[in-house]
Amino acid sequence: ETGVTQSPTHLIKTRGQQVTLRCSSQSGHNTVSWYQQALGQGPQFIFQYYREEENGRGNFPPRFSGLQFPNYSSELNVNALELDDSALYLCASSVDGPYEQYFGPGTRLTVT
Amino acid sequence: AQRVTQPEKLLSVFKGAPVELKCNYSYSGSPELFWYVQYSRQRLQLLLRHISRESIKGFTADLNKGETSFHLKKPFAQEEDSAMYYCALYNTNAGKSTFGDGTTLTVKP
Repeated sequence: ETGVTQSPTHLIKTRGQQVTLRCSSQSGHNTVSWYQQALGQGPQFIFQYYREEENGRGNFPPRFSGLQFPNYSSELNVNALELDDSALYLCASSVDGPYEQYFGPGTRLTVT
Repeated sequence: AQRVTQPEKLLSVFKGAPVELKCNYSYSGSPELFWYVQYSRQRLQLLLRHISRESIKGFTADLNKGETSFHLKKPFAQEEDSAMYYCALYNTNAGKSTFGDGTTLTVKP
């Protein structure tokens, strides 16, 4: 059984560009949550997907969007990147809601 | 709006001493509360969940609805407990999670 994986590990983008981050959930998990973690802060909830539907969203603008696929892997898309989007992006998978979340290692995004 | 506050950014204790990491929350409904831990160079992982009422690695946490607190306690700290600890709340109605900013615990020998 493999754990949660994320790709890429690191990414550098220019302001205004678009980025896609990927998350492969743990086997048997149907819920994926995405978080943004800035330096020195706790994870900030972006959104949650359950069985391919978004069923919870934090205070992030619409340019943050996502998808969950039939195999429960997930993507986070960010359009029109801003400097403040520079952060560690974490995904976490779980079963039937975020009650026992397993986190991935994160993707470090730098926007210049 | 739901909120989680961890008032101490840093906490240092000696090995064998009791430790308490504070967590206060604001939420109008019945919260689902969690403690997560991140050891050095490891991923964030669940430590315990309030509803399970388990003791994990000697840690316990009691939900106090009157004081809206969910403090994490351990009677005798060990050096391997040194880590970053996050308190988190899940709003089941809105499907929204909120994490505190974490407390770095250092257990000195």
